[in-house]
Amino acid sequence: QSVLTQPPSVSGAPGQRVTISCTGSNSNIGTNYDVHWYQHLPGTAPKLLIYGNNRPSGVPDRFSGSKSGTSSSLAITGLQAEDEADYYCQSYDISLSGYVFGTGTKVTVL
Amino acid sequence: QITLKESGPTLVKPTQTLTLTCTFSGFSLSTSGVGVGWIRQPPGKAVEWLAVIYWNDNKRYSPSLKSRLTITKDTSKNQVVLTMTNMDPVDTATYFCAHRRGATDTGGNFDYWGQGTLVTVSS
Repeated sequence: QSVLTQPPSVSGAPGQRVTISCTGSNSNIGTNYDVHWYQHLPGTAPKLLIYGNNRPSGVPDRFSGSKSGTSSSLAITGLQAEDEADYYCQSYDISLSGYVFGTGTKVTVL
Repeated sequence: QITLKESGPTLVKPTQTLTLTCTFSGFSLSTSGVGVGWIRQPPGKAVEWLAVIYWNDNKRYSPSLKSRLTITKDTSKNQVVLTMTNMDPVDTATYFCAHRRGATDTGGNFDYWGQGTLVTVSS
């Protein structure tokens, strides 16, 4: 049902760098609309992590986002145990005239 | 400080209509660019956008659920209401409302979320 595809899981040791990909199409990521990223811990409200290429106040600079063509990526450098969570990308789809979320990626800190 | 809170039934029967209310504070839905959206997450599955209503009363719905959804706002009460008809067990999910930030009535992100409310559909 999701139109943005993410890997189901990624893992890394503390201190390592991991990246999460988000693949869309020319009707969403490939447009001028930004891609945003959320961190979600089960039982809590999702948290906006990256909006476009920016971080909300309070989000560590270990998190960064990028976009190229019809794909986007979230990078986490200096991985920490507290980063273990589910991560979702989100954009706007002009064909659907609505918002689209990614399939979600579970990050595991080894 | 922006806060949102979802309220509604925790259990509905198949074929019934679900009505959820999002009560918010810290912003006005009459301010240009503001919107409130609904997003759900079935147990063990990904989040799914459902609907959004904007300051100008424009509305957008998920195409796959459009025939079953209605979103309305009461600016004076700081509330947004989502109704979903013909509920089915597959609609069992945690339902979130969220503040949408953007410049126009397209695009943007959801920067503040409620805690969510679990709705179970079962006879």
